[in-house]
Amino acid sequence: AQSVTQPDIHITVSEGASLELRCNYSYGATPYLFWYVQSPGQGLQLLLKYFSGDTLVQGIKGFEAEFKRSQSSFNLRKPSVHWSDAAEYFCAANAGNMLTFGGGTRLMVKP
Amino acid sequence: ETGVTQSPTHLIKTRGQQVTLRCSSQSGHNTVSWYQQALGQGPQFIFQYYREEENGRGNFPPRFSGLQFPNYSSELNVNALELDDSALYLCASSYSTGVNTEAFFGQGTRLTVV
Repeated sequence: AQSVTQPDIHITVSEGASLELRCNYSYGATPYLFWYVQSPGQGLQLLLKYFSGDTLVQGIKGFEAEFKRSQSSFNLRKPSVHWSDAAEYFCAANAGNMLTFGGGTRLMVKP
Repeated sequence: ETGVTQSPTHLIKTRGQQVTLRCSSQSGHNTVSWYQQALGQGPQFIFQYYREEENGRGNFPPRFSGLQFPNYSSELNVNALELDDSALYLCASSYSTGVNTEAFFGQGTRLTVV
């Protein structure tokens, strides 16, 4: 079955530190991949997306993600985290007409 | 903001009742998808509407139904509410059904079933 897995439920980083959120997918073929962010009580905002081509994609708010076909991964990174980055992050994949989401990673930022 | 608006933002219903949630899609978008997000989980696909026809359905029972109107706004109806239906319901609109089409999400409707 098609699935998206985010192994880390919670991550805490210090402000200014680097960040990497993990995402693995299980699909018959490479799906289209997305990262969304959700602040408490809010909807989902698209950070970045990968369709094809360059495996390192840049997004909004200083985020980037790297697609690795050999590892079926699409990890999200940020070189220096800001307190305002504290939120829930969702990796998602689309191979048809629906998005399949991972369970999410809650990011907490220490001052 | 995405231009996708959902109403109401919150509501409380009693088990066994029926509820209708509404979504106004972003201008120029003809496709609306609905997702259920239970507390602490990722969103799950309920169904998609494209040009007023259902265009795919997730693993949800028939008591979850929908409509899309000529202006591409949409409704999600849930009959015989159960406690487990308590969740954030998200609507997403897009300009096509293609796999690489970006979906724009509304703020969601928080449904509590008591």
